[in-house]
Amino acid sequence: NAGVTQTPKFRILKIGQSMTLQCTQDMNHNYMYWYRQDPGMGLKLIYYSVGAGITDKGEVPNGYNVSRSTTEDFPLRLELAAPSQTSVYFCASSPRLAGGLAEQYFGPGTRLTVT
Amino acid sequence: GEDVEQSLFLSVREGDSSVINCTYTDSSSTYLYWYKQEPGAGLQLLTYIFSNMDMKQDQRLTVLLNKKDKHLSLRIADTQTGDSAIYFCAESNTDKLIFGTGTRLQVFP
Repeated sequence: NAGVTQTPKFRILKIGQSMTLQCTQDMNHNYMYWYRQDPGMGLKLIYYSVGAGITDKGEVPNGYNVSRSTTEDFPLRLELAAPSQTSVYFCASSPRLAGGLAEQYFGPGTRLTVT
Repeated sequence: GEDVEQSLFLSVREGDSSVINCTYTDSSSTYLYWYKQEPGAGLQLLTYIFSNMDMKQDQRLTVLLNKKDKHLSLRIADTQTGDSAIYFCAESNTDKLIFGTGTRLQVFP
């Protein structure tokens, strides 16, 4: 299994451009998550999904959109990039059952700079 | 609200023990977790503890849980340079994990 894969690894965007960060997992996990990690900070949850066709906002959803048309894929869309979105973005998945162990498996991250 | 707090930095000499502390707020968390993040990488689960336990040992790692004080700690025995990383504690909340701010552990020779 490849686990959780993310593309691209690095990207530089100009203000106002848009892009999609790709995330794919091959572990048949129902739960998937997008986080951002600013320098020297912890993780902030952007969006998450508990299954195909279901998405929900996290702590910092503004400026982002997601979709979950398949179990495997959970792309994150930035429509109008702003410097405040400069960050490292992590995708994670989990086989989580309600009330059970909720181990999350993380991808390697996408480092995004908006100038 | 939910908040998980950790100190930002810890510096230890190689061979000493490291203790990383965390306070959490959600007393209904079923599990509590420790994740490790090495430079340039994503987070990896290091260990976890079920909420009805007060201690868990796994080789060089010891997790202590004080539910009354909502305090979680991770002790690393015989700390090595390869243990240098950022360590995050996390509590579970329905469909999500709430992560702490992370503690950067630096090991010097």
